Amino acid sequence: DAGITQSPRHKVTETGTPVTLRCHQTENHRYMYWYRQDPGHGLRLIHYSYGVKDTDKGEVSDGYSVSRSKTEDFLLTLESATSSQTSVYFCAISDFYRGPHNSPLHFGNGTRLTVT
Amino acid sequence: AQTVTQSQPEMSVQEAETVTLSCTYDTSESDYYLFWYKQPPSRQMILVIRQEAYKQQNATENRFSVNFQKAAKSFSLKISDSQLGDAAMYFCAYRRWGDMRFGAGTRLTVKP
Repeated sequence: DAGITQSPRHKVTETGTPVTLRCHQTENHRYMYWYRQDPGHGLRLIHYSYGVKDTDKGEVSDGYSVSRSKTEDFLLTLESATSSQTSVYFCAISDFYRGPHNSPLHFGNGTRLTVT
Repeated sequence: AQTVTQSQPEMSVQEAETVTLSCTYDTSESDYYLFWYKQPPSRQMILVIRQEAYKQQNATENRFSVNFQKAAKSFSLKISDSQLGDAAMYFCAYRRWGDMRFGAGTRLTVKP
């Protein structure tokens, strides 16, 4: 398995509180991603990063922010958590050593977030 | 934005038989990659197979093969000789540069 660690694995928080999820990699891969997984929606891209301090929005970025100050760490922050953000969050990493499109994503084990 | 559609929320197959999972996508690009991922109950995401859009030949990985129809924007996954361990959610994905999008998934049940 690719060296990806997500923390925490589980979290329960209250509506309106800030929450930060952390993704740490030991593979020195350029790309890092945050997805959320919900029944009936598959995995939806929140944000991704293509280098230190370089990030881009995905399809469901509203209510989320990210930061990447080091190659190995990618943080996802919910500034003010809402019940609609209850989900399983996956971090993924990728490189493109042979081209810009062909490298698969390697996923962490997910963080289950419950907002009450 | 690119979209990926999996029209079969659930499929079932008898052990040792063959099943095909459907995937269509929408893009105006000519250079991209397509992937199938498997997610068993453990929640781990496992790469099954990948296909480059420029390659005419369909990718094959052991019992898994794809039928890639570029003009039709279709990318189906065939699982031959299905095994109990194939039971999982299967996700189709499209990648161009850093952006990778997934379909909603198909839950595959394998009956003994």
